[in-house]
Amino acid sequence: DAGVTQSPTHLIKTRGQQVTLRCSPKSGHDTVSWYQQALGQGPQFIFQYYEEEERQRGNFPDRFSGHQFPNYSSELNVNALLLGDSALYLCASSLGLGQGRDSYFGPGTRLTVT
Amino acid sequence: AQKITQTQPGMFVQEKEAVTLDCTYDTSDQSYGLFWYKQPSSGEMIFLIYQGSYDEQNATEGRYSLNFQKARKSANLVISASQLGDSAMYFCAMRERMEYGNKLVFGAGTILRVKS
Repeated sequence: DAGVTQSPTHLIKTRGQQVTLRCSPKSGHDTVSWYQQALGQGPQFIFQYYEEEERQRGNFPDRFSGHQFPNYSSELNVNALLLGDSALYLCASSLGLGQGRDSYFGPGTRLTVT
Repeated sequence: AQKITQTQPGMFVQEKEAVTLDCTYDTSDQSYGLFWYKQPSSGEMIFLIYQGSYDEQNATEGRYSLNFQKARKSANLVISASQLGDSAMYFCAMRERMEYGNKLVFGAGTILRVKS
């Protein structure tokens, strides 16, 4: 039973470019939440997708957008990249919106913006 | 908004000894959940232990226990018999209620180094 998977593992982008990160939830899970973890800090909630809709959003600009597909996988898109967007992006999946102890995190995508 | 405070940026512990990682929280909710996660250098967040605000007993999971002091709003993680593989970043988190569900609010983390 595969856990949460994320792709790519690492990527390097230039300021102003756009990036798409992908997440496949754990089997049986239907909710995907995205977090940004800057170096030396704890993760910060970006948004949460359930039933192919954005249900919750943290304090992130509209440059951050997402999508959830019918198979529950999700994408995080960031437009007009800034140096400050360099971070580890974590995806967490769960059954329903609870974000309880049944939430599982993926290994993350490390984004570097130069 | 809820807040998690971890005041220890880094901790050292000798192998086979116990260590306590501190966590205090701030919330006006009566019902809440507290979590501890381990993050090795690979980046994945690994769930360790959970404490519900109404749980009367302190949570335990193997070598991990949570020292929950509700009146003091603290939820310290105790790791017994430390192992070299315990070296990692540790995060305390709280589940925050939102309009349609919940999110996790994390502290800044504590780096733990286990010495042989």
